[in-house]
Amino acid sequence: RKEVEQDPGPFNVPEGATVAFNCTYSNSASQSFFWYRQDCRKEPKLLMSVYSSGNEDGRFTAQLNRASQYISLLIRDSKLSDSATYLCVPNYGGATNKLIFGTGTLLAVQP
Amino acid sequence: DAGITQSPRHKVTETGTPVTLRCHQTENHRYMYWYRQDPGHGLRLIHYSYGVKDTDKGEVSDGYSVSRSKTEDFLLTLESATSSQTSVYFCAISESASGPNYGYTFGSGTRLTVV
Repeated sequence: RKEVEQDPGPFNVPEGATVAFNCTYSNSASQSFFWYRQDCRKEPKLLMSVYSSGNEDGRFTAQLNRASQYISLLIRDSKLSDSATYLCVPNYGGATNKLIFGTGTLLAVQP
Repeated sequence: DAGITQSPRHKVTETGTPVTLRCHQTENHRYMYWYRQDPGHGLRLIHYSYGVKDTDKGEVSDGYSVSRSKTEDFLLTLESATSSQTSVYFCAISESASGPNYGYTFGSGTRLTVV
């Protein structure tokens, strides 16, 4: 089983819609999580950090379910500019801070 | 944005030639990482560094070596380039291994084509 699994999508949604992605992880030792967004042919950029049960930042909400080992990202009122690939990243801690990236979920917001 | 630059941005090279990619940071961060990104595989860790002259292998290190002689520079060398090393290479930096500042900041990437 992969360490991180994400539905690759694409998720095609109209502007203004609410969309949610799930990410499952296999290592229960994950201490915290990140969501990164990556625009086409660009570098990943940190979107949110999740340390406990969840986090909210404006239209974005991340929720963590440790019992079922998944983390979700909810985007409300989708904008065209939200179109990107969203990468789920568990952090296992440790002295070297190596991060394992999922392959990402592609979101396409349609006008 | 964090000061991290990669060079070159694009490179085409021939099979069998050595290639060196450079990652330069102005943030004085301790941790530096090299990843490659390929369709269907996502980002995969090649090598990383946790201090000057302290480096270790990631999951796809075969055919690659690294050096870090000073805090600001982390070099990735393809010893003898092969077509399978055609990829986009990203460098990342991290201030710490725990706490609120351990997320990565990425460089803009190097697009390498081996012909």
